Amino acid sequence: QSALTQPASVSGSPGQSITLSCIGSNSDIGSYRLVSWYQQRPGKAPQLVIYEVTERPSGISNRFSGSKLGNTASLTISGLLAEDEADYYCCSFAGIGPVFGRGTKLTVL
Amino acid sequence: QVQLVESGGGLVKPGGSLRLSCVASEFTFTAYYMTWIRQAPGKGLEWVGYISSSGYNIYYADSVKGRFTISRDNAKNSLYLQMNSLRVDDTAVYYCARGDDSFHFGGPGTVVTVSS
Repeated sequence: QSALTQPASVSGSPGQSITLSCIGSNSDIGSYRLVSWYQQRPGKAPQLVIYEVTERPSGISNRFSGSKLGNTASLTISGLLAEDEADYYCCSFAGIGPVFGRGTKLTVL
Repeated sequence: QVQLVESGGGLVKPGGSLRLSCVASEFTFTAYYMTWIRQAPGKGLEWVGYISSSGYNIYYADSVKGRFTISRDNAKNSLYLQMNSLRVDDTAVYYCARGDDSFHFGGPGTVVTVSS
């Protein structure tokens, strides 16, 4: 299993919308609707923000939305807030177990 | 709110062993797969392995297969990770999480440092 590909860093201004990409393959993202996204603030445990491509757990803001096209998944954060600054990891089921991306550092300017 | 409290981490020499524990609360432990995920310093998340709700099915990442053993005690709402033949590259924060295809993290993790 190879890690999913995420850009190392992305930045945006408060109020903007940004989209984080996650590129996989036919063995993971392309074959399953089991893509999830995690937000991790410095020194904290990751928090699930999207599961099954588009679903939001209870308590997660509707500013977070997910999608998938082919072997690429995306996380969109609308109305950026300073508190959204964090690392974001994508994850996909890949047969026996899941595979993660290496993470994108989101900076809110 | 999923509550998970990991413990058992520490400093160990290469080749040594450690047993991590995770106590769960605020959800029906017996209904869920449970997973161990680790994060090396400054690195991303890595799946270690998971165990089915009954404990009957267990799967491991290739990087730990044959060295690590996952188990659970449903009567105690507890998950375990027995780590043997530890290597320097096993150094990480170890998290337990609820689920098998998406993961609810509920605790701060426990730090494992493998160093001579």
